[in-house]
Amino acid sequence: EPEVTQTPSHQVTQMGQEVILRCVPISNHLYFYWYRQILGQKVEFLVSFYNNEISEKSEIFDDQFSVERPDGSNFTLKIRSTKLEDSAMYFCASSQLRLAGGPRNTQYFGPGTRLTVL
Amino acid sequence: GNSVTQMEGPVTLSEEAFLTINCTYTATGYPSLFWYVQYPGEGLQLLLKATKADDKGSNKGFEATYRKETTSFHLEKGSVQVSDSAVYFCALRGRNAGGTSYGKLTFGQGTILTVHP
Repeated sequence: EPEVTQTPSHQVTQMGQEVILRCVPISNHLYFYWYRQILGQKVEFLVSFYNNEISEKSEIFDDQFSVERPDGSNFTLKIRSTKLEDSAMYFCASSQLRLAGGPRNTQYFGPGTRLTVL
Repeated sequence: GNSVTQMEGPVTLSEEAFLTINCTYTATGYPSLFWYVQYPGEGLQLLLKATKADDKGSNKGFEATYRKETTSFHLEKGSVQVSDSAVYFCALRGRNAGGTSYGKLTFGQGTILTVHP
């Protein structure tokens, strides 16, 4: 069964450093998402991406964050200058576009990348 | 804005016990409702969903009914197994009166379930 993959599984970085989290969505999916979960808190939506542009973003997704689909398979989340409070589990998800339009189909999640900022 | 509230965990049960995990929501319009499960070391997997009032989602012995009058989507299973030990997340995806679906999911805080033999 196709699945969403994420690398690395765990990333440790120093405060102020840039990190890039990588995701490979399911191959025929067209909508891509990033979520994060700070330890002990809710899973929170960060951003959705379709047709090479951001379709929706939350207030968490400020100028320090960016997303990119650099090729036909990868979807990345970049944090330019990490802060301690960016420590969290980051989940990538993807969904297939239906003919009727709109991301109504199931979102399939990857296993997550645990980011630790020291 | 939209929000989801789940019962506080963790929940610890013996095998074959009855499970209920409560979930209530606040949303404008007509949301779709979901339960996701996360097994240790894995990503979030869709367990079941319901897209309109009175729909019942079911999968692997789990059930949840979309109750618009009580804005609830409680998860139930009649007889849990050790293999059901996981974290369970209730979530919603908003939709306006015109039926347009907003892609992002809004999650509850998750409930840890541990089932002992």
